[in-house]
Amino acid sequence: QSALTQPASVSGSPGQSIAISCTGTSSDVGGYNYVSWYQQHPGKAPKLMIYDVSNRPSGVSNRFSGSKSGNTASLTISGLQAEDEADYYCSSYTSSSTLLVFGGGTKLTVL
Amino acid sequence: QVQLVESGGGVVQPGISLRLSCAASGFIFSNYGMHWVRQSPGKGLEWVAIIWYDGSKKYYADSVKGRFTISRDNTKNTLYLQMNSLRAEDTAVYYCARIGYDSSGHPSDYWGQGTMVTVSS
Repeated sequence: QSALTQPASVSGSPGQSIAISCTGTSSDVGGYNYVSWYQQHPGKAPKLMIYDVSNRPSGVSNRFSGSKSGNTASLTISGLQAEDEADYYCSSYTSSSTLLVFGGGTKLTVL
Repeated sequence: QVQLVESGGGVVQPGISLRLSCAASGFIFSNYGMHWVRQSPGKGLEWVAIIWYDGSKKYYADSVKGRFTISRDNTKNTLYLQMNSLRAEDTAVYYCARIGYDSSGHPSDYWGQGTMVTVSS
């Protein structure tokens, strides 16, 4: 299966807002509201930040939000903080036989 | 508290088999579906396999289909990944993860710390 497409890197200054895109097809991102976002710091396990496009798990800062338009989902982080610097991955349900697919990941740098 | 502890990783030659385990504690294991997800050194996350809470359904990534088998023993609170015919490209940290929400996106709310598998001659 093909991975979802994410930008390799994004950057922003403290206090700013950034958005990370995740582009798929009508068989995954565009066809269903089952996109999740994970944050991963170096050497650590991933952490769930958003599920079902825009739902935030308990304990996740409301600076993190998710949305979707057509075949592209987005993770927006507002009020950037140094601790947000990490890799971010999207995943989606897919109607293919494999059921789930991840994006290639985006490295967020806080300048 | 929820804990997932992977074990069974190591260095193996191509073609050899290996079985990974994931010991779960702090929750009712038999109520939750589970994933295996891997990450090659310096690379992104790759979903490997999923198993329903009762073992009734299993799905695999194309890259491992026919070689890997996911299973679980709900009496032992343990998830397994049997990996056969290992290849160099299977070299990765393997994570087990709990599916925490009733969603067809199968989002994972808890992850283990991973176990490293290196396939090399």
